[in-house]
Amino acid sequence: AQSVSQHNHHVILSEAASLELGCNYSYGGTVNLFWYVQYPGQHLQLLLKYFSGDPLVKGIKGFEAEFIKSKFSFNLRKPSVQWSDTAEYFCAVSSGGSYIPTFGRGTSLIVHP
Amino acid sequence: NAGVTQTPKFQVLKTGQSMTLQCAQDMNHNSMYWYRQDPGMGLRLIYYSASEGTTDKGEVPNGYNVSRLNKREFSLRLESAAPSQTSVYFCASSERGQVPYEQYFGPGTRLTVT
Repeated sequence: AQSVSQHNHHVILSEAASLELGCNYSYGGTVNLFWYVQYPGQHLQLLLKYFSGDPLVKGIKGFEAEFIKSKFSFNLRKPSVQWSDTAEYFCAVSSGGSYIPTFGRGTSLIVHP
Repeated sequence: NAGVTQTPKFQVLKTGQSMTLQCAQDMNHNSMYWYRQDPGMGLRLIYYSASEGTTDKGEVPNGYNVSRLNKREFSLRLESAAPSQTSVYFCASSERGQVPYEQYFGPGTRLTVT
């Protein structure tokens, strides 16, 4: 079964700092990759997704992620975070033959103004 | 479009009581899902429905039942609630096809079982 690891459980940054959240998965074949964000008190919404093509994917609100197949990774990055980026971030992966994603445990990001 | 709606938003149950969580989507999606979210555990899939008329177990189905009432609605039932079912429950929907469609989530139901 697919497993998804998010190594950083809690991240605390100051505004304007750079962000990188790690995501690794276990499946070696074709994968579909997602990052979702959950702002305080809200439901999950999609930040970005990758299924083929350019391994550097750009999403909403200045976020991007890079798919590195050899490292089984799909790390999320943002050059300069804002207080409004305070949220929980989830990586999700579905294997090529399945449309159902497996979610990581999430990373809680707190950005201090 | 309302997207994915869930009722109720909050619920407190006593051990042994039953209840049904309702979910509806207006995006004409084929697939629907129920997840539970617990601190430090991420989202875990309880049940899903690939299309109208089908349901399948996910990672943590014990203690739950589901009904795909029609294409729009997918309900989750707790027959005899237990404290271990205290959680936040999210319903989601997605399209199916050749590309990986993202899931759209509802606002969640916060359930406490005492």
